[in-house]
Amino acid sequence: GNSVTQMEGPVTLSEEAFLTINCTYTATGYPSLFWYVQYPGEGLQLLLKATKADDKGSNKGFEATYRKETTSFHLEKGSVQVSDSAVYFCALTPGSEKLVFGKGTKLTVNP
Amino acid sequence: GAGVSQSPSNKVTEKGKDVELRCDPISGHTALYWYRQSLGQGLEFLIYFQGNSAPDKSGLPSDRFSAERTGGSVSTLTIQRTQQEDSAVYLCASSRKGTGGTDTQYFGPGTRLTVL
Repeated sequence: GNSVTQMEGPVTLSEEAFLTINCTYTATGYPSLFWYVQYPGEGLQLLLKATKADDKGSNKGFEATYRKETTSFHLEKGSVQVSDSAVYFCALTPGSEKLVFGKGTKLTVNP
Repeated sequence: GAGVSQSPSNKVTEKGKDVELRCDPISGHTALYWYRQSLGQGLEFLIYFQGNSAPDKSGLPSDRFSAERTGGSVSTLTIQRTQQEDSAVYLCASSRKGTGGTDTQYFGPGTRLTVL
């Protein structure tokens, strides 16, 4: 079946630290891959996406590369800020329209 | 422009009662989705509309759950005879076309349902 596995949190970092949140997937066909973010008290919003192998999605200093050979879409940021504290969800659309989500990773960035 | 809106933002009901949750998608978006977010199950897909039709209802957990969409716009999710396990945040999303799996889905703020 289609599934997404992402690293369990919570993750706590100091400001300006490097961030990696691992995400791997299982899917039939060629899924599109997404990272969504949920800031405290707010709704889910798209952070970045990639629709084919080797594509790199980027936004707000975050990046993720669609790696078909390792079925991965790891999220990275070189220098996190306090304002990046949120829950991050990796997700895919497995050739259909519904999003299949990972369980989410809570990130806390301390000043 | 206006985003996806949902009402009510919070709903507390008693076990066995019926509830209706409403979603107003972004104007012009043909695709609409319902998801459920709960502590135990994470984010789960419920149903997808393309226009007024629902080609994928595979995520509806039981026949107590139903949804409709009228005029290619507003959607209502109805839960009959609510149970405590229905307590969750119900999220609605819309996207421009909803084809090919590449569209960005824009989410509303959700309705928090508590079944006592």
